[in-house]
This record gives sequence, C-alpha cells and structure tokens, in this order.
Amino acid sequence: DIQMTQSPSSLSASVGDRVTITCRASQGISNYLVWYQQKPGKAPKSLIYAASSLQSGVPSKFSGSGSGTDFTLTINSLQPEDFATYYCQQYYNYPLTFGGGTKLEIK
Amino acid sequence: EVQLVESGGGLVQPGGSLRLSCAASGFTLSDYYMDWVRQAPGKGLEWIGRSRDKANTYKTEYAASVEDRFTVSRDESKNSLYLQMNSLKTEDTAVYYCTRGGNGNFWEYWGQGALVTVSS
Repeated sequence: DIQMTQSPSSLSASVGDRVTITCRASQGISNYLVWYQQKPGKAPKSLIYAASSLQSGVPSKFSGSGSGTDFTLTINSLQPEDFATYYCQQYYNYPLTFGGGTKLEIK
Repeated sequence: EVQLVESGGGLVQPGGSLRLSCAASGFTLSDYYMDWVRQAPGKGLEWIGRSRDKANTYKTEYAASVEDRFTVSRDESKNSLYLQMNSLKTEDTAVYYCTRGGNGNFWEYWGQGALVTVSS
C-alpha cells in the first residue's frame, strides 16, 4: 500500500496568513493526488485534484503543486472559514489512501 | 442538482450485519464509479471500497480491512448504491460516506454520512 504522510499534523495561524501543508507519498504517484478540506461534523470537500487542478467553485486562494512523491497545498490570505482539517489522498493505485490530516487552527 | 443521501446506519452488536444505502439523484448512478469512505470517531479518512461503472461491469475493489466482510452493490432501478457489512467488529464503528469519484471524477460529491456503531 502507498503510505501518505502529511506534515505538520497541526498548524496554528492567524487570519490573513499564508500557510503550506506538505504531503509525501511512500512511492511515486505521478500527479494522482487530491486535497480535501473537512470541517467538524461535515463530509470532506474536494479542493484540488490531479495535484494542482482547482475543483469547480473552489476559490483561487487554494493552490496545489507537486508530482512524484512530494506535494504541497498552499492557502493564501486565511479567513475564519478556512480553519479546518486538510487531507491528501492518492488515487494512483488500490487501495486509495489518505494522509493523516493537518488540523489548521486559529492562533 | 447532484445529491447523495445515505441511510441505514445504527447500533449493531459485534458479529452482526448492517446494510447502508446511498440514494443518488441528479445523475445516473450507473455511469459513474462510486466509493465508500469511512471515518472512525476523532480519526482520519479511510477508503474502504469501490464499485466501477456499468461499462466496467460494476467491478469492485476493497480495502484489506473489510475484504471478505463488506460488499458494494447497486440497484439501477433505484439509482442506489449499497454497502453490505457482515461480521462487524468494534473497530468498524465510524461514519460511512458514499462519494462519486474515480475514472475522471474527483470526489466532488459526498453524502452526509451514516453513523455505524458496533457495540455490545
């Protein structure tokens, strides 16, 4: 199975900050990566697919990059609604696997 | 408008069975790959199974943790997806989501989740 490792596991930031979350795959996955945002009690929301393509309706403050084994999610100009948990997921092969999550909290 | 609505969750004893349903609207389920993803209380996301589309004969894939115990199926007439869960264990306690993803679709649509609690 491909292991997905996210860092950091938690992150404190202020409104207006820019933050970057990293996801590393245990083997190359090309660009077969999705980023999600999840708020408590809610289903995950897909933000980025194919490592860098913005999902329809997602604001351009979210961006993704990377290929192979190393990927990043960047969020610009944090707003209160951006404080949530973020997950990466590979869909290169089965089983599909998720990173452990990064909890983004208000400083 | 695309909607996915899960039902069938509840409390079940270890060793028991439960079937979750995922009713789709706004699109024809048979045209899409569908996944089940679960989340144990306070934990991360875990993919557990997939049903490919009709063109791919609804072929299924499963995570090792549920293979031989869980089965994904569909009913075209009801435009619905199912997750049959047998031999349930306490570690299967989770919120279960159905989601549309794979084969050029990228998990844009999710159900609201169904809570399954396995406890004596």
